[in-house]
Amino acid sequence: DAKTTQPTSMDCAEGRAANLPCNHSTISGNEYVYWYRQIHSQGPQYIIHGLKNNETNEMASLIITEDRKSSTLILPHATLRDTAVYYCIVGTNFGNEKLTFGTGTRLTIIP
Amino acid sequence: NAGVTQTPKFRILKIGQSMTLQCAQDMNHNYMYWYRQDPGMGLKLIYYSVGAGITDKGEVPNGYNVSRSTTEDFPLRLELAAPSQTSVYFCASSLRTGNTEAFFGQGTRLTVV
Repeated sequence: DAKTTQPTSMDCAEGRAANLPCNHSTISGNEYVYWYRQIHSQGPQYIIHGLKNNETNEMASLIITEDRKSSTLILPHATLRDTAVYYCIVGTNFGNEKLTFGTGTRLTIIP
Repeated sequence: NAGVTQTPKFRILKIGQSMTLQCAQDMNHNYMYWYRQDPGMGLKLIYYSVGAGITDKGEVPNGYNVSRSTTEDFPLRLELAAPSQTSVYFCASSLRTGNTEAFFGQGTRLTVV
């Protein structure tokens, strides 16, 4: 499965949109882009995933570039509760040992 | 639905002791996974199961064993605890292996001294 590169940390003002980038230049045609977050060492929480098209749900939007080599997770109106580590994962299935969670981006929402 | 339930939440083991980390899900998911997370690091896959009676190794299986006798339960066994197994252990389940959401438990924090 493809590797991902994320910034180590980011800050965002409360109420603003948080844009978290992820590079996955070696992604294959059948690999999905998944986003999870982990708050305070709790279990990871699913946010969103996509293959080619942009996706939106009640939590976030996922923008995938046309060449699929990078993506951006957008939290439209960040709140303090969005402070967490955000993981971008690329792969086909969770049973693949290579579909691992890296160290993610630590997002801090500033009051 | 309770989702994915892990017990215990915390445990301290002495070197050489054994224990079983319990994981149960009530979503009728066929796929279940065990991950470990060392301090400041990401998650690594230990073992996974695609259904009752079927298990397979992940990235870091050494020192662990699993079984899957029912759809609901996926226990992780540590036979001879070592300090290197000090970690937080997460169990997860999903309906499919891909194009799906994986649900995680709240973790078991294990310290081996």
